[in-house]
Amino acid sequence: GEQVEQRPPHLSVREGDSAVITCTYTDPNSYYFFWYKQEPGASLQLLMKVFSSTEINEGQGFTVLLNKKDKRLSLNLTAAHPGDSAAYFCAVGTGNYKYVFGAGTRLKVIA
Amino acid sequence: DPKIIQKPKYLVAVTGSEKILICEQYLGHNAMYWYRQSAKKPLEFMFSYSYQKLMDNQTASSRFQPQSSKKNHLDLQITALKPDDSATYFCASSQGTVNNQAPLFGEGTRLSVL
Repeated sequence: GEQVEQRPPHLSVREGDSAVITCTYTDPNSYYFFWYKQEPGASLQLLMKVFSSTEINEGQGFTVLLNKKDKRLSLNLTAAHPGDSAAYFCAVGTGNYKYVFGAGTRLKVIA
Repeated sequence: DPKIIQKPKYLVAVTGSEKILICEQYLGHNAMYWYRQSAKKPLEFMFSYSYQKLMDNQTASSRFQPQSSKKNHLDLQITALKPDDSATYFCASSQGTVNNQAPLFGEGTRLSVL
């Protein structure tokens, strides 16, 4: 079945710096990709959907890249601020109502 | 107001006992899921249901039994509880019959088994 590897597991950056989180997946037939943010003690909040026909998505303060050839998905937080400190998870929709999540990246933004 | 309601928010149980985790969603979604999050396995898929039918089961143990009495309900019964079952259990739901719909998550039930 689909396997998702997320790197790095922990990331510490200074305020104003960028932070890049990467996920690689194994199933070339995977079509749907998502990023979630989880603050300590809270639930998962959907940040972005990324579909196979889209290579770049931009949200508020972040950019998502999808490279289907390399089976790689990345989240780039530009100009990170302390409010971005959280765990981030990528998820891959594999069909038949199953979503496989990466192990998460714990991001700490230092003021 | 939360659209996916999980009850209780915190739960303490003794080893060997049985508990039921409640989940109701008011988003009109037709698919519901259970995930488990612990220090050992960050976010682990357990079950998926669509229109009250089991779609996928990745839980090896029969001690975990989902129960769907209504389309917008998916409870999780856990029997013969073990300390290793201690985790946060998240219920999620999505709309649609393909995976382009992101699952949305409830607040979770934090289970501690003593």
